[in-house]
Amino acid sequence: DAKTTQPPSMDCAEGRAANLPCNHSTISGNEYVYWYRQIHSQGPQYIIHGLKNNETNEMASLIITEDRKSSTLILPHATLRDTAVYYCIVRAYTGTASKLTFGTGTRLQVTL
Amino acid sequence: DAGVIQSPRHEVTEMGQEVTLRCKPISGHDYLFWYRQTMMRGLELLIYFNNNVPIDDSGMPEDRFSAKMPNASFSTLKIQPSEPRDSAVYFCASSPPLRGYNEQFFGPGTRLTVL
Repeated sequence: DAKTTQPPSMDCAEGRAANLPCNHSTISGNEYVYWYRQIHSQGPQYIIHGLKNNETNEMASLIITEDRKSSTLILPHATLRDTAVYYCIVRAYTGTASKLTFGTGTRLQVTL
Repeated sequence: DAGVIQSPRHEVTEMGQEVTLRCKPISGHDYLFWYRQTMMRGLELLIYFNNNVPIDDSGMPEDRFSAKMPNASFSTLKIQPSEPRDSAVYFCASSPPLRGYNEQFFGPGTRLTVL
């Protein structure tokens, strides 16, 4: 699986967009980019995933560069409840369920 | 939908005792995963099942750990005998039949403290 690199921490003002970067320069053609987050003392929560196209759902947007070597998770209007550790995970679809390897993630602090 | 249910939420036990953690996956999901999270090692997969059959147990730390899934709605993770280094938060997650990607739904976790 491709290795991912994320900044250890970021701050964002409430109401502003939070842009969380992820580098995955060794990603291969059949690997998806997933984002999960973990709010303190809770289990991880799936946010979004993508292969090559930009994706948007009710929680966030995922922007993947054309060469697929990096991506950005965008929370359009961050709130205090978005304070969490955000994990970027790259994993191939192999036809069977595959384990998610969680790195250290980015700790996002949303402030007033 | 109640989500993934885990019990107990907190467990405190003494070294050498048997510990059993329980998980009820989301109805209709056919994959079940057990993870462990510590400050030192982060979140790591222990074992996962598909249709009640263990598929990959390479993350199980040692023979003291065992997991079962007797039916589609119940799984257990047992530690016998427990040791202080087993103290961690244990998460259960389930996943629906494959759709080409890997969306996993996590439970609230069981915080285990072994004294």
